[in-house]
Amino acid sequence: QVHLQESGPGLVKPSETLSLTCSVSGASSTADYWNWIRQSPGKGLEWIGYVFYSGATKYNPSLRSRVTISLDTSKNQVSLLLTSVTAADTAVYFCARESWYGTRWSGFDYWGQGTPVTVSS
Amino acid sequence: IVLTQSPATLSLSPGQGATLSCRASQTVTSFLAWYQQKPGQAPRLLIYGGSNRATGIPARFSGSGSGTDFTLTISTLGPEDFAVYYCQQRSIWPWTFGQGTKLEIK
Repeated sequence: QVHLQESGPGLVKPSETLSLTCSVSGASSTADYWNWIRQSPGKGLEWIGYVFYSGATKYNPSLRSRVTISLDTSKNQVSLLLTSVTAADTAVYFCARESWYGTRWSGFDYWGQGTPVTVSS
Repeated sequence: IVLTQSPATLSLSPGQGATLSCRASQTVTSFLAWYQQKPGQAPRLLIYGGSNRATGIPARFSGSGSGTDFTLTISTLGPEDFAVYYCQQRSIWPWTFGQGTKLEIK
């Protein structure tokens, strides 16, 4: 069983940097990918990117120039940085795990409860 | 890849069956998942790999399809099944979600 918990400021000013943390507890493996996904009323669910166990990353090209996802295995934490935020970045942010069992993909099988972020001055 | 879900809203009564559709703009082979989301909650994985039920998901939920056309079937609706359902592909970067189908009580 894996438990994910997002944390971070609920309010960020325009042009500033959003910083969120996802704390991971429970079993994890070298086949795990740690994803960030956000949900806003206007755009539904949007995949932001992932960090693999090795530290390799992949981002949505719509956000790639502004986003950094990193993994701190010593703290069991996954971090999201999103720079130069605007009102369009207002959303609920989720972290979620996916894994591979050989060639079998697990889907996003574990999710945090989500943390709401509002971008406003 | 654009995932188009239909219908946008489905109005049914408990005890009835439901069929939800997800169509991809390009083939996603079998790297497609279905999620259920209730208000104020995170999405919950129902189906992965197009047709495999996730751990703890009741047998009344089933998924089928491959390539570009996928279906989520709920054989007999319980009151707890009324929610929004999303499909998601992990075949072609960037991974994408459908816009959702709201299953509401008639």
